[in-house]
Amino acid sequence: KAGVTQTPRYLIKTRGQQVTLSCSPISGHRSVSWYQQTPGQGLQFLFEYFSETQRNKGNFPGRFSGRQFSNSRSEMNVSTLELGDSALYLCASSLLAGNNEQFFGPGTRLTVL
Amino acid sequence: KNEVEQSPQNLTAQEGEFITINCSYSVGISALHWLQQHPGGGIVSLFMLSSGKKKHGRLIATINIQEKHSSLHITASHPRDSAVYICAVSTGNQFYFGTGTSLTVIP
Repeated sequence: KAGVTQTPRYLIKTRGQQVTLSCSPISGHRSVSWYQQTPGQGLQFLFEYFSETQRNKGNFPGRFSGRQFSNSRSEMNVSTLELGDSALYLCASSLLAGNNEQFFGPGTRLTVL
Repeated sequence: KNEVEQSPQNLTAQEGEFITINCSYSVGISALHWLQQHPGGGIVSLFMLSSGKKKHGRLIATINIQEKHSSLHITASHPRDSAVYICAVSTGNQFYFGTGTSLTVIP
């Protein structure tokens, strides 16, 4: 079975731009969660999608949004980028929502200049 | 306020040593996860547990729900165990992460 894939792997943007990141879960997994990892704050939970619905959300501003499609693929969008949004963005998939074992993708490293 | 605290932050061990990483949490949880992150960013889930003890090869994870504490043990450590180990807890609708323990095993 193929693992979780994320595209693109690396991205450079400038302040004020917006960005869309993509995540394809393991086949059969219906839950996709997104995380931000920075040297200062470590790993933080952004949101979880299950069956095309946002199930849970972390403590991030509304500039961070996401969606999930009927094939369970997910995208996250960050609008009006700030320098502090530079981070590794990880997605993880699991069979079911909530507390299930997370299978992580390789991440997208976003640099905001 | 950190919902999850890990110790130690950094750990250097000689190959073959027994290693323990500790995790304490302050919220009610549905499950506790131990993750491993190698340089370059990839994260692997090692354990998910809600009670008792689990073992995978040389890795053992335990949890004490009453004391809100978990430990990750590595027996007969090897240089390939060098990585960052992260404790995370899920509450059913949130994930909280510890800051990680950076482990270096010297041959």
